[in-house]
Amino acid sequence: QSALTQPASVSGSPGQSITISCTGSSSDVGTYNYVSWYQQHPGKAPKVMIYEVSNRPSGVSNRFSGSKSGSTASLTISGLQAEDEGDYYCSSYTSSGTVVFGTGTKVTVL
Amino acid sequence: QVQLQQSGPGLVKPSQTLSLTCVISGDSVSTNSAAWNWIRQSPSRGLEWLGRTYYNSKWYNDYAASVKGRITINPDTSKNQFSLQLNSVTAEDTAVYYCARGWLRTHFDLWGRGTLVTVSS
Repeated sequence: QSALTQPASVSGSPGQSITISCTGSSSDVGTYNYVSWYQQHPGKAPKVMIYEVSNRPSGVSNRFSGSKSGSTASLTISGLQAEDEGDYYCSSYTSSGTVVFGTGTKVTVL
Repeated sequence: QVQLQQSGPGLVKPSQTLSLTCVISGDSVSTNSAAWNWIRQSPSRGLEWLGRTYYNSKWYNDYAASVKGRITINPDTSKNQFSLQLNSVTAEDTAVYYCARGWLRTHFDLWGRGTLVTVSS
């Protein structure tokens, strides 16, 4: 099972919106609405920001939103803030009954 | 408040077995619909899901193809914990290992702090 493909880096100015893509295949993202997004700060464990494509856990800012089209899922961060800087990973359930993560994207707030 | 507390050695010799334990507080390892996972992270491999154990009338395990044959994840209901054993380790297995609670097919909502395990003689 190959890792889902994400851009290595995305940047934006405070207040702007950015979108991170996550491309899989018909064996994962393309078939299942079990895509999650995680934020990770240095030295910390990942934190779920979006689950099941577009659902936000309690306590996560509504500036974070998720969507999916075909085999590509996307995470949008609107009103970018300094605290949003970090690494972001997507994940998906797969047809093998396993989980695959994305390659990770470093978000920089300019 | 649900917490996961990881423990285990930070240094393992090549060809030996890596063993980690994750103690659950505030939840039960036997909770229906919850799965108890091991995930690792390294600069070369990124985040990598290793496997899980879960209870649904009986115990089940699922493992990643990349480590199948070398990995065992066991629940321990008497101590409310679960463990990871990874056999025949090499330098490629050097990583930060996390335990995490997941919901079947969907997301991981609770993570341990992570344990850096280095494979070296």
